[in-house]
Amino acid sequence: GAVVSQHPSRVICKSGTSVKIECRSLDFQATTMFWYRQFPKQSLMLMATSNEGSKATYEQGVEKDKFLINHASLTLSTLTVTSAHPEDSSFYICSARDGQNYEQYFGPGTRLTVT
Amino acid sequence: AQSVTQLDSQVPVFEEAPVELRCNYSSSVSVYLFWYVQYPNQGLQLLLKYLSGSTLVKGINGFEAEFNKSQTSFHLRKPSVHISDTAEYFCAVRGAAGYSSASKIIFGSGTRLSIRP
Repeated sequence: GAVVSQHPSRVICKSGTSVKIECRSLDFQATTMFWYRQFPKQSLMLMATSNEGSKATYEQGVEKDKFLINHASLTLSTLTVTSAHPEDSSFYICSARDGQNYEQYFGPGTRLTVT
Repeated sequence: AQSVTQLDSQVPVFEEAPVELRCNYSSSVSVYLFWYVQYPNQGLQLLLKYLSGSTLVKGINGFEAEFNKSQTSFHLRKPSVHISDTAEYFCAVRGAAGYSSASKIIFGSGTRLSIRP
């Protein structure tokens, strides 16, 4: 089946630094990728939707200058958390939609801890 | 736009007992419906999905769900649960293909299923 990978799986960074999370579709081309955030014991909240080669569309309340999304190719999207703060600590999950069959697949998630 | 309501935040059940996790949705267009399971500190795993056709959908691990359009519900059931079913379960909705709102999967708040021996 279709596989979506994320790297790193866990990252710890200091407050004020930036961290990049990669999301890759391994065996299909993802025309659209989605980034979700999940706080402990809560649901997944959609942060933004990105189409390959276009600017991302952010959900209401998500700071686009803080969460930079790049979808430069059909198999790779990156989320950069800039000037991270402890309140940005969360589980970030990406999802990729197959341009052929319209199915959406989820990555294993990245746990970000900001100290 | 679509929305999903999971009526129970926690459901405790004894092992080998049946279970039903409730999910209701709201949408002005036709939808696709999903159930995902998330084990502690892990990502999401798709249990089952409804796209069209038969309203009774069978998934992995012995789970099934029934789409009820008149009730706008998509409840998840399992006739006999096991300790290993302890996890968080998310109901999700997406607009059917062809609609602009089809671009997003929206999740419910989740139901924590805890199995007691």
